[in-house]
Amino acid sequence: GQSLEQPSEVTAVEGAIVQINCTYQTSGFYGLSWYQQHDGGAPTFLSYNALDGLEETGRFSSFLSRSDSYGYLLLQELQMKDSASYFCAVSNQAGTALIFGKGTTLSVSS
Amino acid sequence: NAGVTQTPKFQVLKTGQSMTLQCAQDMNHNSMYWYRQDPGMGLRLIYYSASEGTTDKGEVPNGYNVSRLNKREFSLRLESAAPSQTSVYFCASSLRADPQETQYFGPGTRLLVL
Repeated sequence: GQSLEQPSEVTAVEGAIVQINCTYQTSGFYGLSWYQQHDGGAPTFLSYNALDGLEETGRFSSFLSRSDSYGYLLLQELQMKDSASYFCAVSNQAGTALIFGKGTTLSVSS
Repeated sequence: NAGVTQTPKFQVLKTGQSMTLQCAQDMNHNSMYWYRQDPGMGLRLIYYSASEGTTDKGEVPNGYNVSRLNKREFSLRLESAAPSQTSVYFCASSLRADPQETQYFGPGTRLLVL
């Protein structure tokens, strides 16, 4: 089956850089997705990596190493509004749906 | 363009009662999904519909049934609610049942089963 591991909590200060790691075990890998969810809100898509390497979108970057079954989300120039939960996800065995990790709660303080 | 809408927003049930959670999307997406979210457990897939006319079980389907009413609507039914089904339920949709496709989530339904 599919399983994902990510830290449950991360804390940082405004302006800092934080990295949220995700390791996965899958039978059939298509790619690694990241979603953000603010407290009380709905998850929203951040990024998707199908190939090895770093993808950058503004202050956020996502990295994938398929050989290590590992990826991370990198958040730079942290702002208070980045306080949220971040979920990594991989596809199910059929490649038709997503299986999410348990999420990492990021707390940004001033 | 409302995206994904869910009704109701909140519901309190007694053990053994039944109810249907409604979900609709106006993005002409083919695929729709139901998740539940519990503290510390992340999002767990209950059922999904890769395309109109098909439904498949996810990680935690027991105690639930679904209906893909048409391309727009995908409902989740609890036939006999149990306290263990107290959760926040999210519906999502995507253009195709493909992991690279972005999933768009509704605002959620908060369900309390007493």
